[in-house]
Amino acid sequence: KNEVEQSPQNLTAQEGEFITINCSYSVGISALHWLQQHPGGGIVSLFMLSSGKKKHGRLIATINIQEKHSSLHITASHPRDSAVYICAVRSSGGSNYKLTFGKGTLLTVNP
Amino acid sequence: SAVISQKPSRDICQRGTSLTIQCQVDSQVTMMFWYRQQPGQSLTLIATANQGSEATYESGFVIDKFPISRPNLTFSTLTVSNMSPEDSSIYLCSVIENYGYTFGSGTRLTVV
Repeated sequence: KNEVEQSPQNLTAQEGEFITINCSYSVGISALHWLQQHPGGGIVSLFMLSSGKKKHGRLIATINIQEKHSSLHITASHPRDSAVYICAVRSSGGSNYKLTFGKGTLLTVNP
Repeated sequence: SAVISQKPSRDICQRGTSLTIQCQVDSQVTMMFWYRQQPGQSLTLIATANQGSEATYESGFVIDKFPISRPNLTFSTLTVSNMSPEDSSIYLCSVIENYGYTFGSGTRLTVV
């Protein structure tokens, strides 16, 4: 079993729909990251969370440390949101800078 | 946040040859990471590159196959040596800063 599990693997939505992507992890963490990967392969960091909730534009990320679960929400989705969304965790303890990644969720938003 | 310029963005290479990928950062950073993303798989850390010391490789990755240079605090290279089709992947560099990680634009490598 992977340390970081994402669901769904694939998600197709119509423009304007509310999107939720889930991430569950099995290790103690110091931070959780949501990343966006475009078809060329480059990755953009969307959020870094250690507790609570963060919002940036139409994107909202939440984390529940006790339940080891995080969600990424996209409100009023748009075709330009189409990308792979990746959850990654940084394990807690010491000077561990390594990230463990989920396999990603491929989001396609149709006009 | 730091800006990373990664080159080349993509390449098609013959098996048995080598390819060197470069990452240039617009600010000085202590730690730089190199990742591989095989088709349909999650990112896997290859090695951590610190300036002035040997890179630290993860299990399953060896220096002879993936030599890394880190001549200063703004630049690093990863070479994929003696390539085989199994090396076809996206390779990414990344740096860590106070507020999180910044990634390069990726190198999509196809070995034929």
